[in-house]
Amino acid sequence: QSVLAQPPSVSGAPGQRVTISCTGSSSNIGARYDVHWYQQLPGTAPKLLIYGNSNRPSGVPDRFSGSKSGTSASLAITGLQAEDEADYYCQSYDSSLSGYVFGTGTKVTVL
Amino acid sequence: QVQLVESGGGLVKPGGSLRLSCAASGFTFSDYYMSWIRQAPGKGLEWVSYISSSGSTIYYADSVKGRFTISRDNAKNSLYLQMNSLRAEDTAVYYCARVGKMPTIGYYFDYWGQGTLVTVSS
Repeated sequence: QSVLAQPPSVSGAPGQRVTISCTGSSSNIGARYDVHWYQQLPGTAPKLLIYGNSNRPSGVPDRFSGSKSGTSASLAITGLQAEDEADYYCQSYDSSLSGYVFGTGTKVTVL
Repeated sequence: QVQLVESGGGLVKPGGSLRLSCAASGFTFSDYYMSWIRQAPGKGLEWVSYISSSGSTIYYADSVKGRFTISRDNAKNSLYLQMNSLRAEDTAVYYCARVGKMPTIGYYFDYWGQGTLVTVSS
């Protein structure tokens, strides 16, 4: 049971900008715990995309950006490319569950 | 480069046991917390457990507490997950992941293995 809600799918044409929301509550994102984002290409393991709300690991294109406000966070992909077709997951910590939680996942489709 | 290679998955009957292993290379294993994360077929990600660098601190998700045991052998650069009393709902790909070290409020997972499939079925 995921406590972080994401839209099931988003889509956009090549070159467009898309955003993915991650909605939590006062026991996770709203409790100041950081949000992290992962990209899972079809048939592969997840890969870290954003850590600490808005930081990109080396090698991640600056087309990917993250932000956090209140009980929600967002991932933005600008200049959408065909290779960005994947599932995206947010992740944080939940103090009520005393454990790490992932979002429900969002499938990005490039039209 | 960082490599995490899981092994030990397979088909097991309900109530059975299985031990997963994760061989780490390309970094100083004993310096890092490690974690297990699973993904049921066609479903999302679920955190299972983590263990501190020395093994002295361990946490489990409620769904596996009392049935799964995480451990590590720093001399062998290896992480383990002993799974007992397995249920159909434990069927998933199990990923070994390294816990990142950048200063954040709450951990994140910066490298993942390719995963090993565990199927619990009679």
